[in-house]
Amino acid sequence: SQQGEEDPQALSIQEGENATMNCSYKTSINNLQWYRQNSGRGLVHLILIRSNEREKHSGRLRVTLDTSKKSSSLLITASRAADTASYFCATVPNDYKLSFGAGTTVTVRA
Amino acid sequence: NAGVTQTPKFRVLKTGQSMTLLCAQDMNHEYMYWYRQDPGMGLRLIHYSVGEGTTAKGEVPDGYNVSRLKKQNFLLGLESAAPSQTSVYFCASSYAGDRTDTQYFGPGTRLTVL
Repeated sequence: SQQGEEDPQALSIQEGENATMNCSYKTSINNLQWYRQNSGRGLVHLILIRSNEREKHSGRLRVTLDTSKKSSSLLITASRAADTASYFCATVPNDYKLSFGAGTTVTVRA
Repeated sequence: NAGVTQTPKFRVLKTGQSMTLLCAQDMNHEYMYWYRQDPGMGLRLIHYSVGEGTTAKGEVPDGYNVSRLKKQNFLLGLESAAPSQTSVYFCASSYAGDRTDTQYFGPGTRLTVL
């Protein structure tokens, strides 16, 4: 069963704006990962945040994790057309198997 | 270094036909996975392997079989295809089963069962 649920399902923003998407999950996790999928392609790992971390940065990406609320957010700053993609959160509970949400589709308008 | 490759990229089957999807990785990864992706459902794990000669069931294994005869290859078989198996199939691999391992994905196989 899907552990993570992303919100919103879809997001449309202007180039240069920030994009924020959220992920909520149900059970305790070891870590949470974010992946990106460009149309017609496989998933690409973006960033991993461990359960004992609250915030992590990678380039224009900022991820937060609130284990008390069982939620995470992914912020993409200064968006570009190339950021147009679907973004998935994947939770890792007690083993190594990822549990993916349904994703957030982000469209960046020029 | 090709990463994870999948063969074929597209396939159309009739109900009841069989086929095998091939996944190959050249990163010497121990763990390999097969997922299916359906609209609005995210990815669901079908089967996985923790090493050569081993396989295990994932979340949605019914109607599929797998084999891992060589470390670099992971095959997914459909013995009698059904329309419900129309989906995009992704293979992935990771170095080991450590919880923090990144999974590397192939480009996908789009399968339509008529």
